[in-house]
Amino acid sequence: DADVTQTPRNRITKTGKRIMLECSQTKGHDRMYWYRQDPGLGLQLIYYSFDVKDINKGEISDGYSVSRQAQAKFSLSLESAIPNQTALYFCATSDSLRGQPQHFGDGTRLSIL
Amino acid sequence: AQTVTQSQPEMSVQEAETVTLSCTYDTSESNYYLFWYKQPPSRQMILVIRQEAYKQQNATENRFSVNFQKAAKSFSLKISDSQLGDTAMYFCAFIEIGNQFYFGTGTSLTVIP
Repeated sequence: DADVTQTPRNRITKTGKRIMLECSQTKGHDRMYWYRQDPGLGLQLIYYSFDVKDINKGEISDGYSVSRQAQAKFSLSLESAIPNQTALYFCATSDSLRGQPQHFGDGTRLSIL
Repeated sequence: AQTVTQSQPEMSVQEAETVTLSCTYDTSESNYYLFWYKQPPSRQMILVIRQEAYKQQNATENRFSVNFQKAAKSFSLKISDSQLGDTAMYFCAFIEIGNQFYFGTGTSLTVIP
């Protein structure tokens, strides 16, 4: 089983719908992150959480919200999806020890029509 | 301001040859960490190599090695004996102590048979 699991793997939906992307991890890491990837732009940070009670906005948080339900679970919501939120979304985790790499899920490809 | 710069959007290399992907970064800190990630067409984000800034010795992982030039803030990835399975997007990433990850915009590498 994957250490970082994202569901769903792919999703097509319509403008205005509420969408939730889920992420769970078995690595025991405190830190979790949500990114979106667009062609030519690399990975942009949406939100991050250093523990259950610590949620922080990233560089592109507008239009998104998150919930850290437990150490192992971090979900991303689009309250009212719009077409320019069509992207590949990644969840990542990292250990709190300094300098540790991030470990990624397999991504959710989201298409908003 | 862009913290991590990958100036080569696309590159190609003949199978069995060597290729170098460039990355520069900007920081005023002396202690930080650098990474290269590989994203094959399967879209997974796979850690390739990690470098600690306070270590002068360049990191190596089998056919992958880095040329870390701290004064120049340069962190290039060399792939030796290129294989078809090396075809992927490659992302350079950077983290200062206690801060978030920053990713470059990626270099698309194609290995030609």
